[in-house]
Amino acid sequence: DAGITQSPRYKITETGRQVTLMCHQTWSHSYMFWYRQDLGHGLRLIYYSAAADITDKGEVPDGYVVSRSKTENFPLTLESATRSQTSVYFCASTWDRGGDEQFFGPGTRLTVL
Amino acid sequence: LAKTTQPISMDSYEGQEVNITCSHNNIATNDYITWYQQFPSQGPRFIIQGYKTKVTNEVASLFIPADRKSSTLSLPRVSLSDTAVYYCLVAGDNTDKLIFGTGTRLQVFP
Repeated sequence: DAGITQSPRYKITETGRQVTLMCHQTWSHSYMFWYRQDLGHGLRLIYYSAAADITDKGEVPDGYVVSRSKTENFPLTLESATRSQTSVYFCASTWDRGGDEQFFGPGTRLTVL
Repeated sequence: LAKTTQPISMDSYEGQEVNITCSHNNIATNDYITWYQQFPSQGPRFIIQGYKTKVTNEVASLFIPADRKSSTLSLPRVSLSDTAVYYCLVAGDNTDKLIFGTGTRLQVFP
């Protein structure tokens, strides 16, 4: 399917466990992003990537790790999940830079118990 | 850092025009202004983007004054399906400075 997909859509885990959220896009977009969305905070940028093997921090990177070995994939890993990381996570992609139109995935709702 | 400020919520009725204003006092020369729409349990969706003056597409208009310190999203003749959260994003080359803000929750009544 063309577009941007995220998996899993829902995830429940426990404090201290490692969790990886997957993001896949079929457009060969250069830029990819990870956001978290919490009530009262809107969307906050966690990490972004300008191309394969190039990643950088956003507004709230602590506790997260990313990688981008292939242009189409941008996984987000919580190495030791905490309750404060309970949130909805959105992946997005765009052609050239952050200010361009971003295409968002459907989101992953993560609950850390 | 181009932080944005929007009203938290707005109410309207079907058929009315809705104007949502976003304040962005620290907008940089290279920044564009982009508006997104988000329905519950979905990712945000692009509505319109502009740099200055007025931009219009099939769903909305975007008005940007000469000083670019604010912008107004105009939705003509809203319907119930326009009930959503609307985000203003000011961003350009500095990708690490992407800040969406808390958005405006628009409720359209019959």
